[in-house]
Amino acid sequence: DADVTQTPRNRITKTGKRIMLECSQTKGHDRMYWYRQDPGLGLRLIYYSFDVKDINKGEISDGYSVSRQAQAKFSLSLESAIPNQTALYFCATSDHRGRGEKTQYFGPGTRLLVL
Amino acid sequence: AQTVTQSQPEMSVQEAETVTLSCTYDTSESDYYLFWYKQPPSRQMILVIRQEAYKQQNATENRFSVNFQKAAKSFSLKISDSQLGDAAMYFCAYRVNFGNEKLTFGTGTRLTIIP
Repeated sequence: DADVTQTPRNRITKTGKRIMLECSQTKGHDRMYWYRQDPGLGLRLIYYSFDVKDINKGEISDGYSVSRQAQAKFSLSLESAIPNQTALYFCATSDHRGRGEKTQYFGPGTRLLVL
Repeated sequence: AQTVTQSQPEMSVQEAETVTLSCTYDTSESDYYLFWYKQPPSRQMILVIRQEAYKQQNATENRFSVNFQKAAKSFSLKISDSQLGDAAMYFCAYRVNFGNEKLTFGTGTRLTIIP
């Protein structure tokens, strides 16, 4: 089974709709991240979480919100989707406890199309 | 602000040959990590190799090796004995070792393997 899973894998929605993307991990890592990938660009950080009570904005957080429901779960919400939020979304995790290696491991991605 | 530059949008190589992908970065930090991630058509982000800035020895993982030139802020990836399965987008990424610790990505290099 995959260590980092994302649901759904693909989603089509309409402008103005609220949607949620979910991420779960079985790696036991403390930190979780949401990134966005657009064609011709690298990944850009939306939000990140050091633990359940510590949520931080990334470089492109406008129009997004997140929830860390448990150490293993981190969800991304688009409150009112707009077409320029069409992108590939990645969740990632990393281990910063003690001697954790801190490398980020990615989920399979969610392709979102906003019409 | 840290930036990562990949100046080769596309590269191609004959199967079994060697190819080098370039990456430069800009930072004022001295303690950081560098990574190469591979993104095949499945769109999964897969860690290829990582390098700790304070280690002078270049990292190696099987057919993948890096040439890390800290003074020049250069971090190239060499793929030896290229295989068809190596065809993918390759992203260079940077992370400072303490503090924010978010990954900053380059824009990627698309590698094509010619049979």
